[in-house]
Amino acid sequence: TQLLEQSPQFLSIQEGENLTVYCNSSSVFSSLQWYRQEPGEGPVLLVTVVTGGEVKKLKRLTFQFGDARKDSSLHITAAQTGDTGLYLCAGNNYGQNFVFGPGTRLSVLP
Amino acid sequence: SQTIHQWPATLVQPVGSPLSLECTVEGTSNPNLYWYRQAAGRGLQLLFYSVGIGQISSEVPQNLSASRPQDRQFILSSKKLLLSDSGFYLCAWSLEPYEQYFGPGTRLTVT
Repeated sequence: TQLLEQSPQFLSIQEGENLTVYCNSSSVFSSLQWYRQEPGEGPVLLVTVVTGGEVKKLKRLTFQFGDARKDSSLHITAAQTGDTGLYLCAGNNYGQNFVFGPGTRLSVLP
Repeated sequence: SQTIHQWPATLVQPVGSPLSLECTVEGTSNPNLYWYRQAAGRGLQLLFYSVGIGQISSEVPQNLSASRPQDRQFILSSKKLLLSDSGFYLCAWSLEPYEQYFGPGTRLTVT
């Protein structure tokens, strides 16, 4: 069974600070996705990474896929209150099924 | 552009009552469709997925069932709800093997 772990589970920071959250597995994935979810809403896809070592940037967010395609990180520069939410990673392995991590709950305080 | 709808948005049902949640997708054909359940503020548990009309795969044994009567319609059902069925139910679709798009969700409370 493929499992994804995310750390930290909770993170509370001040606006303007930088942060990194992690998504790890002992399994290899063909692709990995990051989502952000706000309370009472469905997750919104932020990015998909498919190549080992790949780095993608989305404004202040930087996503990296590990060389071995077992882990990923999300770095946010100069966090804003609008970044608050639950960050979920999900892995897929050339199939229809997606495996989700438990999420990191981020609170950015003004 | 593609859109995904779920209804109802909120539902309160007594234990032992039936359940029917509906999900429809617009703007695409032959999508893969998924039902997930999410415990409060946590990760997603895959319940069912479908690659085509009438084709349903179950991931977790339980008193829930799913059906896909039309290409872009996915229904989650139960004959008798349990307290443990409470949660946030999410429908999602995908075409590519590495991107999923979620609906707004249904908050189910079983009392």
